[in-house]
Amino acid sequence: SELTQDPVASVALGQTVRITCQGDGLRNYYASWYQQKPGQAPVLVIYGHNNRPSGIPDRFSGSQSGSTASLTITGAQAEDEADYYCNCRDSSAHRLSFGGGTKLTVL
Amino acid sequence: EVPLVQSGAEVKKPGESLKISCQGRGHTFTGYWIGWVRQMPGKGLEWMGNIWPDDSTTNYSPSFQGQVTISADRSISTAYLQWSSLKASDTAMYYCARWQQLASKDSFDIWGQGTMVTVSS
Repeated sequence: SELTQDPVASVALGQTVRITCQGDGLRNYYASWYQQKPGQAPVLVIYGHNNRPSGIPDRFSGSQSGSTASLTITGAQAEDEADYYCNCRDSSAHRLSFGGGTKLTVL
Repeated sequence: EVPLVQSGAEVKKPGESLKISCQGRGHTFTGYWIGWVRQMPGKGLEWMGNIWPDDSTTNYSPSFQGQVTISADRSISTAYLQWSSLKASDTAMYYCARWQQLASKDSFDIWGQGTMVTVSS
């Protein structure tokens, strides 16, 4: 199934931004979220029920309801400027998809 | 130590074949799926397929089924992505990543550094 993200978002330094991801697969499976900075490999920032890998700041959080998953950055920092992608299994359980990505600008 | 190490950049001509690799260090491969992800220049991430190295079970995206072959050699903790006849449109960065498939933990938790493939006449 396809995952839909807004292509761009912006947030003032220190403020809060929510990035959303919509898709049918999200009704059955948790989304995971990835941050990618220019010239770098993606990095996992949120998975499952609002879990953060070691080293990811606690200003990153996730939530999910129905067919929508959200990534929230509370108190955005300049270093959070990046592309963010959601990812989820589809209804077949063995196929995955990524959202189109959201380019976040920190003003 | 970097957990997933990919082979180096490649420059090929249309019609040529290619096999790129992704080697796991430590216990990176044990009990996990390994996935391949394409990123065309200036574009987003696309899931190509996953492999379970223990028995080489594979799942492909419909978009890539028949276009590439994913394989693995468990004995050397290495996964491969292979093309039999490259096209210019295969020019992209290719990432391997470890996929945790658990209902509460679904995620690509470790990523390789990427292999840039350029196909040009």
